[in-house]
Amino acid sequence: GAVVSQHPSRVICKSGTSVKIECRSLDFQATTMFWYRQFPKQSLMLMATSNEGSKATYEQGVEKDKFLINHASLTLSTLTVTSAHPEDSSFYICSARDSRVRDSPNYGYTFGSGTRLTVV
Amino acid sequence: RKEVEQDPGPFNVPEGATVAFNCTYSNSASQSFFWYRQDCRKEPKLLMSVYSSGNEDGRFTAQLNRASQYISLLIRDSKLSDSATYLCVVRNFNKFYFGSGTKLNVKP
Repeated sequence: GAVVSQHPSRVICKSGTSVKIECRSLDFQATTMFWYRQFPKQSLMLMATSNEGSKATYEQGVEKDKFLINHASLTLSTLTVTSAHPEDSSFYICSARDSRVRDSPNYGYTFGSGTRLTVV
Repeated sequence: RKEVEQDPGPFNVPEGATVAFNCTYSNSASQSFFWYRQDCRKEPKLLMSVYSSGNEDGRFTAQLNRASQYISLLIRDSKLSDSATYLCVVRNFNKFYFGSGTKLNVKP
């Protein structure tokens, strides 16, 4: 089945620095990828929809200047957390859809393995 | 109002017990419904899709009631390995909306 690779799996950074998270679709092309965030004991919340070759679409309440998304190719989207602060510490997960899939129970949507960001 | 609401639990049950989780969703136009399982500090993994006719996969049975916007998951003969957080998920076009999850602890 479709595989989405996310890197790094875990990162610790100092407050004020920037962190880049990569999401790659292996063996399929994804014109659209999705970035989610999950705080402890809370649900995954969609942050933004990443569109290849164009600007990302951000959900209400998500600062686009703080969470920079680049989807420069059909297999790679990156999320950069700029000037990270402790309150940005969270579990970030990307998702992509393999549009070749027709009969998959989840319509071809696959999640990356997640990145646990800790800002100290 | 949240898109998807779930009882957070935790549900603490002995091995072999039957346990049921419920979930409600707010958008009547939602198109697809799922239960995902999430282990601690891991990504969510699809457990099963949910259909109005009800569907079963081994010990797991899922049911959707569109009229009342209600989704359920029944786990029979619980195993220790079933311990996890179960996420109720609703899809509306390209967007997935997740419940906050119901934690299940199966005890020996």
